[in-house]
Parts: sequence; C-alpha cells; structure tokens
Amino acid sequence: DGGITQSPKYLFRKEGQNVTLSCEQNLNHDAMYWYRQDPGQGLRLIYYSQIVNDFQKGDIAEGYSVSREKKESFPLTVTSAQKNPTAFYLCASSIVFAGTRDNSPLHFGNGTRLTVT
Amino acid sequence: GDSVTQMEGPVTLSEEAFLTINCTYTATGYPSLFWYVQYPGEGLQLLLKATKADDKGSNKGFEATYRKETTSFHLEKGSVQVSDSAVYFCALMKTSYDKVIFGPGTSLSVIP
Repeated sequence: DGGITQSPKYLFRKEGQNVTLSCEQNLNHDAMYWYRQDPGQGLRLIYYSQIVNDFQKGDIAEGYSVSREKKESFPLTVTSAQKNPTAFYLCASSIVFAGTRDNSPLHFGNGTRLTVT
Repeated sequence: GDSVTQMEGPVTLSEEAFLTINCTYTATGYPSLFWYVQYPGEGLQLLLKATKADDKGSNKGFEATYRKETTSFHLEKGSVQVSDSAVYFCALMKTSYDKVIFGPGTSLSVIP
C-alpha cells in the first residue's frame, strides 16, 4: 500500500544538537510539507516543496532546514537555532494539478514526536 | 488573508448524540473545503471534502455541505460513537499551488 513513512516515531536529543527527521512517500506525489503541532494547538507550516530541488518557507521556518533531492524524500533538520524544538512533527504530501481547479487533499504520515532536553 | 474559524471545544457528548462542529471560512475565489480527523498519537486523515458550492461531502456517517452564501462547512453526524473521539480540523485550499489553511481543531470526546 502507498503511504507516507515518518521515522522515528519518538526522538530524543540534547539541547544544542541538530537532528534530522525522515519523511518518505511512495504515492508519487509532487508536493511535500512539514508541519509542527504543539499540545492543544493547530498545525503550523514549516516548509513545503512542490518540485524536486525547490522548496519554500512556511510560517515558522526559522531554526529549520530542508532538502528535496528526490521526489520521494523530504527530510527536515531541526537545528540548534530553533528555540523551542520539542513538538510533534507531521509530514504530508499531495498531488499538484497544474492548470486546473482540482485540489488534492493532503496525505499525512503518523508523525515524529521530538523531545529536546 | 484567507482563514478558517471553527469552534474550539473541547466538545463532550454521550454516545449516540447528534454532533455539529461549526466551521466558517474567509477566502476569495472558490476554495475546496476539507475535514480532517486526528486520532490520539497519529497524523491527520482526510474525513471528507467538497469542491464547489452546494456539494455535500460524506464519509463514515459524517456529512458537511459547502455553503457559499454563509461561507460555512459545518460537520455533522447523527449518532456519535466512542470511537469518534478525536480532534477534527476544517481546512481550505484554493489551488494546488497554495498553502492549505487549517482551522485550530476541535477536540471531541464521546463518553459511553
């Protein structure tokens, strides 16, 4: 079955260390996204990419970096510059319908819970 | 700018009660509208969607109708179950190239 795989499910790091969260999809989707979710909060967009080798900052990109070298993969690095990195991180993907008004829903992974102490 | 507003809850209902979660939006043009559900410790799943005015999305007993005149997309279910306990997010998307705008989420607890 196609889907999005985020790994690991739980991640623990010491303050000051960079950490990379993995996101892989086999849905052949063009666009991929990273969201952050804090307890009792909604979703906040960190970065998104609609095509390989290109990505855009979302609403809270500071302290994060991404790469999109392959269509299937969109890893997120949480750097030591991110002041409050402890959160639940969600990766998503969608089809991009060029030139139409069709809109594909987002498909989400099951998330990575990052704890930094 | 574009936005989505929904009742934040938490909402607590007894099993078999009727559910309504209100969602209203602000957007230019003709966005697609979605409801997503998030079960504890998991990612979001698409529950239902509607792409144009007066469309009704439905899935697993849930329904929502795209009302352009009131800019609303309220989620309803006639008889909730304990297994419906989750957080529900209303969202809009204008085109495939635009960011998805999410509401803040509504937490639902259904008690036996």
